Amino acid sequence: DAGVIQSPRHEVTEMGQEVTLRCKPISGHDYLFWYRQTMMRGLELLIYFNNNVPIDDSGMPEDRFSAKMPNASFSTLKIQPSEPRDSAVYFCASSSASGSSRGRIQYFGAGTRLSVL
Amino acid sequence: AQKITQTQPGMFVQEKEAVTLDCTYDTSDPSYGLFWYKQPSSGEMIFLIYQGSYDQQNATEGRYSLNFQKARKSANLVISASQLGDSAMYFCAMREVSGGSYIPTFGRGTSLIVHP
Repeated sequence: DAGVIQSPRHEVTEMGQEVTLRCKPISGHDYLFWYRQTMMRGLELLIYFNNNVPIDDSGMPEDRFSAKMPNASFSTLKIQPSEPRDSAVYFCASSSASGSSRGRIQYFGAGTRLSVL
Repeated sequence: AQKITQTQPGMFVQEKEAVTLDCTYDTSDPSYGLFWYKQPSSGEMIFLIYQGSYDQQNATEGRYSLNFQKARKSANLVISASQLGDSAMYFCAMREVSGGSYIPTFGRGTSLIVHP
C-alpha cells in the first residue's frame, strides 16, 4: 500500500505569491494532520481533520493559512500571500482510529520544503 | 511544562555499537502511547516503534527497542549494532488518550551520528 503522498517535494516562490501544498493520505485512514517543521520551533501541528472535517485549527499561524479536505483522499494547505517566514518543511500525516491503539500511529509523507524569497 | 523532553541534542556512536537515546515525558493520563520516529537527512519522518502505557513488555522492532520505565516516566530508544544508515534525527512523541484527541506531542529531537 502506498504511503502518504505529498506534492510538490520542493517549492520556491516569491513573497506575496499563493502556495498550495497537496496531500493524499493512506487509504482507509480517517485522520489527517498538517505539520510545519523549522529549526527554531521544531515540529508544530497546524491543523487536523477527522473524516474530512477540520477538528482543531488552533495551530494555524495566521489567516493567510487555510486547509481543506474535500474528500477522504485529498487535502490541501494554502498560504496566501506567502512570506519569507513561512519557509519551512510542511508535513502531512495520516492515521486510523480503528482497531487497537497501534492503529493510531501517524504515518508521515515525505514533506514539502517551502522556500519563500 | 514540556510534555516530552529529549535532553541530548547530539549523540555520537561507533558503528556496530549500541546507543541509547533518552526521552522523558510528563502526563497524568493513565492511558497513553509513546512513539519514536527517525528523520534522516532526506527529510522524511519514519515511524520506528510504539509502546502503550499498559504494555507489560518493552517494545522491540528489529534492532530498535524501547526501554520503558513507567515509574520514571522515561521511554528511551535503544539501537543495537548501529549502522551508518542510522545517522539521523530521532524524535520521541507521546499521545495522551484523555479528551479523545489522540494528538501526539513531539520532542525537539536528538541528532545521532554513527562513525565508521
